[in-house]
Amino acid sequence: DVKVTQSSRYLVKRTGEKVFLECVQDMDHENMFWYRQDPGLGLRLIYFSYDVKMKEKGDIPEGYSVSREKKERFSLILESASTNQTSMYLCASSSAWTGARTGELFFGEGSRLTVL
Amino acid sequence: ELKVEQNPLFLSMQEGKNYTIYCNYSTTSDRLYWYRQDPGKSLESLFVLLSNGAVKQEGRLMASLDTKARLSTLHITAAVHDLSATYFCAVARWETSGSRLTFGEGTQLTVNP
Repeated sequence: DVKVTQSSRYLVKRTGEKVFLECVQDMDHENMFWYRQDPGLGLRLIYFSYDVKMKEKGDIPEGYSVSREKKERFSLILESASTNQTSMYLCASSSAWTGARTGELFFGEGSRLTVL
Repeated sequence: ELKVEQNPLFLSMQEGKNYTIYCNYSTTSDRLYWYRQDPGKSLESLFVLLSNGAVKQEGRLMASLDTKARLSTLHITAAVHDLSATYFCAVARWETSGSRLTFGEGTQLTVNP
C-alpha cells in the first residue's frame, strides 16, 4: 500500500515563527503536492513538484515555499507564520500521468497547524 | 481556469434512500476522481474515472463520467449510516509541466437512522 507520512499531526506556533511541514512517501512517486483545507473552501493547491528539485506554484502560493531535495520527501515552509495560515495541511503524491497510470492522489493524514 | 462545482454541498438523508451527488467542471478533462473524507481524517480514494462513459461501482456507491456534459455523478443506493462522510470530486488537467487536480468544495453527507 502507498504510504504518505506527514511528520506532525498537530502543531501550535506563534506569529512570525518559521514552520516546516515534512512529507515522505514510500512508493517512488514522481509527483508530490501540498494542499490546505479550510471549511467552506475545500482543498486548495499551494505548491507541487513533478521531480526532484522542481517546484511549481499552485493556486495559493503566497506566504509559502517548498523544498524537494529527494524524490521521496517534499517539505512545505512557512517563512513567517501568520494567523491566516491556521489550517489543515495535506500532502499527497501520485505517479506520473503516463500510459496506464491513473494519476490518482494518495494523501497523508494531514497536519493541523494553529498560529497564535 | 478550471472550476469544479459540487451539489449539493450538504445532504441529509434517511437510511435506505437513494440520492445523487453532482460534480460539474468547466474545462475539458477526461479524468475525474472521487474521494471520501471522514471527520478528522485524510482523504481516501474511492473511484478513478478515466474516459467518457466510465462507470465504477463499489458497494452502495456508483460513479459515472460524461465528458461531453462535463459532469460526473456519485449515486448512493439504499444509504446506510456508515456512508456519512464528506465526498469530494477532483478533475485533472494537463499542463506543460505535468498533471494536477482541482477539487470541488465537497458534499457533506449525513445518513440518519
